[in-house]
Amino acid sequence: GQNIDQPTEMTATEGAIVQINCTYQTSGFNGLFWYQQHAGEAPTFLSYNVLDGLEEKGRFSSFLSRSKGYSYLLLKELQMKDSASYLCAPEVGTGTASKLTFGTGTRLQVTL
Amino acid sequence: SAVISQKPSRDICQRGTSLTIQCQVDSQVTMMFWYRQQPGQSLTLIATANQGSEATYESGFVIDKFPISRPNLTFSTLTVSNMSPEDSSIYLCSVQGGLSYEQYFGPGTRLTVT
Repeated sequence: GQNIDQPTEMTATEGAIVQINCTYQTSGFNGLFWYQQHAGEAPTFLSYNVLDGLEEKGRFSSFLSRSKGYSYLLLKELQMKDSASYLCAPEVGTGTASKLTFGTGTRLQVTL
Repeated sequence: SAVISQKPSRDICQRGTSLTIQCQVDSQVTMMFWYRQQPGQSLTLIATANQGSEATYESGFVIDKFPISRPNLTFSTLTVSNMSPEDSSIYLCSVQGGLSYEQYFGPGTRLTVT
């Protein structure tokens, strides 16, 4: 089966840095996606990690350790618009057999 | 990135009826997925719909309840059959394929069953 664990809620201050952790236990792991979802909207793609290490994309970075079943999403220079849910989603399988399993999401509140 | 549209965007239906949700993509994609997101919950995969083959359903979802069509590489439908209030949810289609590994989501269909 699949087991994905991430904090339910986090609060951070505008301009700060926040790290959202995700641990997972899956069979057939291929890579890991992070999505952002604002209330009432569809998820939007943030990052995809296949190899171990850090991937940086502007203010957002994502890290993966395959051996530890661990990932984190790092958000820098937080803005109010970053208040949203952040979903960790391991991908299992490859090609036409690949699929995502979503964690419960971390609701991030950015305050002044 | 792919542009995905869904119809209807929302609907209110009576129990016992069925609703068909359409998903249209602006480019050809290999894989399409249907998810459900119940209020305050994360996304749950219902099934994977690849063109030219039968849809693959996840545990807890069956074809009689959620029949899916995938007639070509840009379109799919999901039907929610014999609805009950427990089917009230947001239904999202998602696509992956072409030159990108990224998976993109449509805007969702908000379904309320009374």
